[in-house]
Amino acid sequence: DSGVTQTPKHLITATGQRVTLRCSPRSGDLSVYWYQQSLDQGLQFLIQYYNGEERAKGNILERFSAQQFPDLHSELNLSSLELGDSALYFCASSVAGARQETQYFGPGTRLLVL
Amino acid sequence: GIQVEQSPPDLILQEGANSTLRCNFSDSVNNLQWFHQNPWGQLINLFYIPSGTKQNGRLSATTVATERYSLLYISSSQTTDSGVYFCAGLETSGSRLTFGEGTQLTVNP
Repeated sequence: DSGVTQTPKHLITATGQRVTLRCSPRSGDLSVYWYQQSLDQGLQFLIQYYNGEERAKGNILERFSAQQFPDLHSELNLSSLELGDSALYFCASSVAGARQETQYFGPGTRLLVL
Repeated sequence: GIQVEQSPPDLILQEGANSTLRCNFSDSVNNLQWFHQNPWGQLINLFYIPSGTKQNGRLSATTVATERYSLLYISSSQTTDSGVYFCAGLETSGSRLTFGEGTQLTVNP
């Protein structure tokens, strides 16, 4: 158990809908990262937050947004869902978001868009 | 960004065999991690190893940063070692991990 929690574990929804994925980092970690794992794109970085502020952005679609709250949990919002958004979404956390740190991954949320 | 290449893409072993997985990266990295993704999809941290050698039970890893590669050794493999092994590097100027495509390991009883 990495100490990073994600809810829900599974999500099934329809095209055009909106969902919210939730992540709680390890106790004491200030930085949260979101990654997407899909069959055709592999594991890709989406976005990073540090202590409530966006720090880095990767291949995140405009239909997707995220935020980190004062209690450090983070939410990833996916809207106008398409079939291709079906994927495993991981949240990771690290202490300070520094480069020389281990990123610990949560169990993931498996999203299926029908 | 950096490129991360893993080999072999697939590996099938008999229980008890040893194996070496390789990860090459295109540029200097500040951070290199190895993960095991089990059949349930969980990504499990194995090593944080930007340089040098580490051992954890039957697993060990070596990174030669100057030559831009890392190796993961699995000894006396067990069926529970099956899954996909990923390496991921973090470039010196960024904070995102770039993952390789993984090595799919199957250990047969």
